[in-house]
Order: sequence, then structure tokens, then C-alpha cells
Amino acid sequence: DAGVIQSPRHEVTEMGQEVTLRCKPISGHDYLFWYRQTMMRGLELLIYFNNNVPIDDSGMPEDRFSAKMPNASFSTLKIQPSEPRDSAVYFCAAGTSGNTDTQYFGPGTRLTVL
Amino acid sequence: AQSVTQPDIHITVSEGASLELRCNYSYGATPYLFWYVQSPGQGLQLLLKYFSGDTLVQGIKGFEAEFKRSQSSFNLRKPSVHWSDAAEYFCAAAPYNQGGKLIFGQGTELSVKP
Repeated sequence: DAGVIQSPRHEVTEMGQEVTLRCKPISGHDYLFWYRQTMMRGLELLIYFNNNVPIDDSGMPEDRFSAKMPNASFSTLKIQPSEPRDSAVYFCAAGTSGNTDTQYFGPGTRLTVL
Repeated sequence: AQSVTQPDIHITVSEGASLELRCNYSYGATPYLFWYVQSPGQGLQLLLKYFSGDTLVQGIKGFEAEFKRSQSSFNLRKPSVHWSDAAEYFCAAAPYNQGGKLIFGQGTELSVKP
């Protein structure tokens, strides 16, 4: 089992550019979560999906953020346009219906917006 | 409001010494409780979890945690710390049957002196 895969691992972009972060969850895990980690705010849940359907997006900070899960093996988190305050580490995590509270995290994408 | 508090931002212990990291939660009912560890540049790894039953929970890497309802606490312990335990430790809670809505504490950074 390869675990949760995220790409890219590091992203540096300029303010105003579109950024797309990608996640491949663990096969058979039907829950997918996106988190953001910053020094100021710690770890925050942004959005999560069950069976590819968004269940709770109340943590998405602004309309500039959007997330999709077109199929069970792929999800994206998009920021358009990006701003310096979006600089953070973004984690994707996977869980299962029988055990949703145990989440397995990917290595994260470190985003820097200049 | 639901919250998880880790009172200690940074702790330093000597290798071989015992360790206790504190965690307090504030919820209407006892939530599910977790401890995760994050090594530099890595994602979060689950150390242990408490759902119900025995209040002393054993985890990986020699860690254990004790749930104390009267104190709303879920402190993490290890009898003898190894240099490789240096990392950041996160306590998290999830309300019962709201799979996925993990709320994290701010984290405690552990340094280990030789």
C-alpha cells in the first residue's frame, strides 16, 4: 500500500497565479480530507468528501478555494487567485466508512506564494 | 465551542527520561481522541486512539495515553524517550459519529537532549 500521495511536494508561485494541489488517496478509503497547516492557525480542516461527494466545506476560507474529487482515486484543491497568506502546508488524508475517525495523512504540499 | 488544548508549546527532555505531553479537550460529550506525531517535512502519523473502554491506551513506538474524563484530559506518555522521538505531537478530537471533523491542538514540539 503506497499510502496517500500528494503532488507537488513543494510549490512556489507568484501572487495572482492559479495553484492546483493534487491528492491520490489510499485505495478503498472512501473518505478524503484536505487540511491546511500554518504557524498561526495550526491544522485546519478545509473540506472533506465521502464517496467523491463533498460533505462539509465549512472550513474553506474563501471563494478563491475550491476542491473536487472526480473519482475515487483523485482529488484536487485549487486556489485562484493565490495570495501570500495562502502560504502553508496542505495535507490530504484518507479514511474509511467503518473507521472515519482514523485518518491517514499524506506527506503534504508546501505552498509558498510570493 | 469545541476545542483541544495542548498547554505546552515546546518541551525538552533528556534521552532516557520519561515524557508526558498534556492534552485537554472541551466538548459536550466525550469525543474520540487521538495522538499524532509529525516529523520535520513529513505528514502526520497516528500514534494511538481512544474510542471507549479501557482508559489506558497503548500505541506504536512505546507510547501510551490515559483518558481521564474527570479532567477532560488525554495525556501522552512514554517511559523512556529516544532521540528519534524528537518531533511535533498533536492531540486531536472528533465528536462521536461526526466522522471526519477532527479538531487538532496547536501541537507540542519535543526536543531530546543527548
